[in-house]
Amino acid sequence: AQSVTQPDIHITVSEGASLELRCNYSYGATPYLFWYVQSPGQGLQLLLKYFSGDTLVQGIKGFEAEFKRSQSSFNLRKPSVHWSDAAEYFCAVTNAGNMLTFGGGTRLMVKP
Amino acid sequence: DAGVIQSPRHEVTEMGQEVTLRCKPISGHDYLFWYRQTMMRGLELLIYFNNNVPIDDSGMPEDRFSAKMPNASFSTLKIQPSEPRDSAVYFCASSSYWAGDTDTQYFGPGTRLTVL
Repeated sequence: AQSVTQPDIHITVSEGASLELRCNYSYGATPYLFWYVQSPGQGLQLLLKYFSGDTLVQGIKGFEAEFKRSQSSFNLRKPSVHWSDAAEYFCAVTNAGNMLTFGGGTRLMVKP
Repeated sequence: DAGVIQSPRHEVTEMGQEVTLRCKPISGHDYLFWYRQTMMRGLELLIYFNNNVPIDDSGMPEDRFSAKMPNASFSTLKIQPSEPRDSAVYFCASSSYWAGDTDTQYFGPGTRLTVL
């Protein structure tokens, strides 16, 4: 069965600092990978996705993620964090069968 | 497009009452998903539909939960009778095979359910 692990439950960074959120997945075939962001009281917004091709994918709001098959990872990065990035971030995987499996989420706090 | 629409946004009810959550998917989307989010269990897929037909309901916790999709633009998730442990945020999401993007799901704002 597919699974997703986000090792960091909470992360705090200073505004303007760089950010990396970790995501590790377990899946036998080539996965489809996603990052979603959830602001307080809101639904999930898609940041970016990887299906195939270039392993570095660009998303909205200045985010990017890199698929590393050898490490079973799909880490999310942003070079300079803004206060408005404070939210919860979810990594997810699907096997093209529409069954999205989510990680436990990482809550990002941004210090002024 | 208005995105996925869910109603109500908040629901407070007493144990034993029937609860109905509603979802309108994005127009033209042929897949619809219901998720539940809790602190303890995170985001869980409950059930999903394709062309209004339930495809996988293995995530539905028990018989008190039921979901229907009478047409392409409307789905309900019903809990009867409700229990305090059903308190959670319930999300609806939709995706489109015909857009060539089946695996990208678009989420609604959620319904926060509190069962007293």
